[in-house]
Parts: sequence; structure tokens; C-alpha cells
Amino acid sequence: DIQMTQSPSSLSAFVGDRVTITCRASQSISHYLNWYQQKPGKAPKLLIYSASSMQSGVPSRFSGSGSGTDFTLTISSLQPEDFATYFCQQSDGTPLTFGGGTRVEI
Amino acid sequence: QVQLVQSGAEVKKPGASVKVSCKASGYTFSDHYVHWVRQAPGQGPEWMGWMNPNSGGTHYAQQFRGRVTLTRDTSVSTAYMDLRRLTSDDAAVYYCARGDTPHDFLDLWGQGTMVTVSS
Repeated sequence: DIQMTQSPSSLSAFVGDRVTITCRASQSISHYLNWYQQKPGKAPKLLIYSASSMQSGVPSRFSGSGSGTDFTLTISSLQPEDFATYFCQQSDGTPLTFGGGTRVEI
Repeated sequence: QVQLVQSGAEVKKPGASVKVSCKASGYTFSDHYVHWVRQAPGQGPEWMGWMNPNSGGTHYAQQFRGRVTLTRDTSVSTAYMDLRRLTSDDAAVYYCARGDTPHDFLDLWGQGTMVTVSS
């Protein structure tokens, strides 16, 4: 199975800050990396797919980059509604696997 | 409205089975795979398997084989997840989610079904 490792596991930031979350795969997954946002008591919401493609309706302050084993999710200017937990997920093959999450706190 | 609506919370005893339903609306049910993912408290999501609503074909994660069955009823656009021989480790929120292929991003999620396992 492909292991997904996220860092940091949590971070504190201010509104307006630039935030970067990283995800590393245990083997190359090309560009098959997706990012989700999850708020307490809610289902995950797709933000970015195929490493850098933005899902419809997602604000442009979110962006993704990377290929192979190393990937990044960037929030260019953190907004109050962005405080949540973020997960990466590889879709290079089954089993689909997720990272452990990064909690973004005020 | 494009959505997946799941059945309500369940409380089960160890050794019992649970069946969760996932009703699709607003899109053609047979055109997209249904994946099942669970999430224990404070943990990352864990993928359980997929079901092809068109063919009924399934594929399960190794750790669930023999204990989980994914089915569907196309007449009511509903997918089902049946998990047997429950233990306390199975206490989690269970989600259905839509994907275009067997290995894919998941662009539409149900609201989740909490399963509690307690004697």
C-alpha cells in the first residue's frame, strides 16, 4: 500500500497568513494526488485533484503543486472559514490511501 | 440537487452486523462508482472499497475482505455497505462517496453515518 505522510500535523496561523501543507507519498504517484478540507462533524470536501486542478467552486486562494512523491497545498491568504483539517489522498491505485491530516487553527 | 444521503446513526453490539444505505440523487447513479470510506475519531479517512453501480462489480480493501459486502439497488439509486462481526475498532463515521473510476478523487460525499459498537 502507498503510505501518505502529511506535515505538519497541526499549525496555528492568523487571518491573512500564507499557509503551506505538505504531503509525501511512499512511492511515486505521478500527479494522482488530491486534497480535501474537513470541518468538524462534516464530510470531507474536495478542493484540489490531480495535484493542481481546482475543483469547481473552490476559492482561488487555494492551490496545489507537486508530482512524484512530494506535494504541496497552499492557501495564499487564510480566511476565517479556512480553519479546518486538510487531508491528502492518492489515487494512483487501490487501496486509496489518505494522509493523517493537518489541522489549521487560529 | 446532486447529493448522497445516508441512513441514520447505528448502535450495535460486538459481533453484530450493520448495513448503511446511501441514496444518490441529481445525477445518473449508474454512471459513477460508489466508494466507501470510514473515519475513526481523530483519525484520517480509511478507504474500504468500491462498487460499480452499473455492473455490480466490487473491490475491497484487504483488511475488510470477508467482512464487508457492497451492493446496490439501481431501481432506487441506492448503494449499501454491510459490515459483519463488528468490534470496538469498527466504531467510526462511515461515508459513501462518488468517483468516476476505481481509483480516483472523490468529488461528492454523503453526510456520514456514525456507527457505535458497544455492549
